[in-house]
Amino acid sequence: GNSVTQMEGPVTLSEEAFLTINCTYTATGYPSLFWYVQYPGEGLQLLLKATKADDKGSNKGFEATYRKETTSFHLEKGSVQVSDSAVYFCALRGLSGNTPLVFGKGTRLSVIA
Amino acid sequence: GAVVSQHPSWVICKSGTSVKIECRSLDFQATTMFWYRQFPKQSLMLMATSNEGSKATYEQGVEKDKFLINHASLTLSTLTVTSAHPEDSSFYICSAPGFDNSPLHFGNGTRLTVT
Repeated sequence: GNSVTQMEGPVTLSEEAFLTINCTYTATGYPSLFWYVQYPGEGLQLLLKATKADDKGSNKGFEATYRKETTSFHLEKGSVQVSDSAVYFCALRGLSGNTPLVFGKGTRLSVIA
Repeated sequence: GAVVSQHPSWVICKSGTSVKIECRSLDFQATTMFWYRQFPKQSLMLMATSNEGSKATYEQGVEKDKFLINHASLTLSTLTVTSAHPEDSSFYICSAPGFDNSPLHFGNGTRLTVT
């Protein structure tokens, strides 16, 4: 079945540091890939997505590229801010019909000033 | 854009009572909705798929008699936690799919605490 493996946290960075959160997946066919962010006490917000190989999703300075050859969708940001502190979830969704998202375990990011 | 409204955002109940959580799609119709559960510091686990006009599909290990799902209309799905126990305390989140591979739209979640 489909699965997502995400680097374990927590990750603690200083403000303006470079961020990478690794995500790899296992899926049949070519799923769509997503990064969601969950701020403390809140629900999930879509951060970015990519629907086919070599697509790059980007939003709020975050980027991730759909790499079919390595089955990866690593999240990066060049300069993190304290306000980026949250839990980040990598997720995939298959192509067939109304399918649910499959989530990674989440990575907690803390950015300190 | 598509919005999913979930209510209540938090609820505290006594052990043995039942709690109903509502999930509404505000500006689109959803024949399918998904219910997830998230324990503290853990990922979201799919509990069940709610289908308008038919029975819900439950994931393995989820008790259908305990977590009653009703998808009465194209804009409303409800999850009722029956005879709640402290171990049911969790964060419950609903979501509804967009078209094709558009991202799922999530409610803001319901934090259930059973005392």
